[in-house]
Amino acid sequence: DIVMTQSPDSLAVSLGERATINCKCSQSDLCTSNNKNYLAWYQHKPGQPPKLLIYWASTRESGVPDRFSGSGSGTDFSLTISSLQAEDVAVYYCQQYYTVPWTFGQGTKVEIK
Amino acid sequence: EVQLVESGGGLVKPGGSLRLSCAASGFTFNNAWMSWVRQAPGKGLEWVGRIKSKADGGTTDYATPVKGRFSISRDDSKNTVYLQMNSLKIEDTAVYYCTSWTAAGGAFDIWGQGTMVTVSS
Repeated sequence: DIVMTQSPDSLAVSLGERATINCKCSQSDLCTSNNKNYLAWYQHKPGQPPKLLIYWASTRESGVPDRFSGSGSGTDFSLTISSLQAEDVAVYYCQQYYTVPWTFGQGTKVEIK
Repeated sequence: EVQLVESGGGLVKPGGSLRLSCAASGFTFNNAWMSWVRQAPGKGLEWVGRIKSKADGGTTDYATPVKGRFSISRDDSKNTVYLQMNSLKIEDTAVYYCTSWTAAGGAFDIWGQGTMVTVSS
């Protein structure tokens, strides 16, 4: 199975500051194909279903604020929140959706410092 | 409105069985690949399995921990996908989400609210 490893496991950022979460795919040829990165980012708050933020590694889902951005290719990907807001407190997950079994990272908890 | 509504969760003893349902509306269900994702208490998200559309073969794939015990099926006439869970273990205790995509090319842009399954004696 492909292992998706996120770092850090948690981070505390001041309001208005930048937060960056990293995600590493254990095998590049199993997360990427034909120059397409099958990598998504989700935001998950308690009591709610996960919410898709980013897909194809860098395409923002409709309605997602532009302070959220995704980057990376091959094995290394990142999610950046450019200016952290109080409503961004959540757990964030990356996921590869190219090779079954599709797999999620272990999650990164984002808090306010 | 695009919607997924899960049902069928509850308390079951180890070794028991349970069937979850997910009713879809607001999109073309028979073209959709449907997945189940779960979250155990205090743990992260785990993909459980998927079923392709009949046009794409209708085949299923499963995560390693549930292979051979869980099965996914669909009834396109009812816009419903099912998760049959057999030989349940305590570690299957989780909130189970039904999910799919409409426009995100494989990433999950639609989710149900989830249904809780508790496996306990």
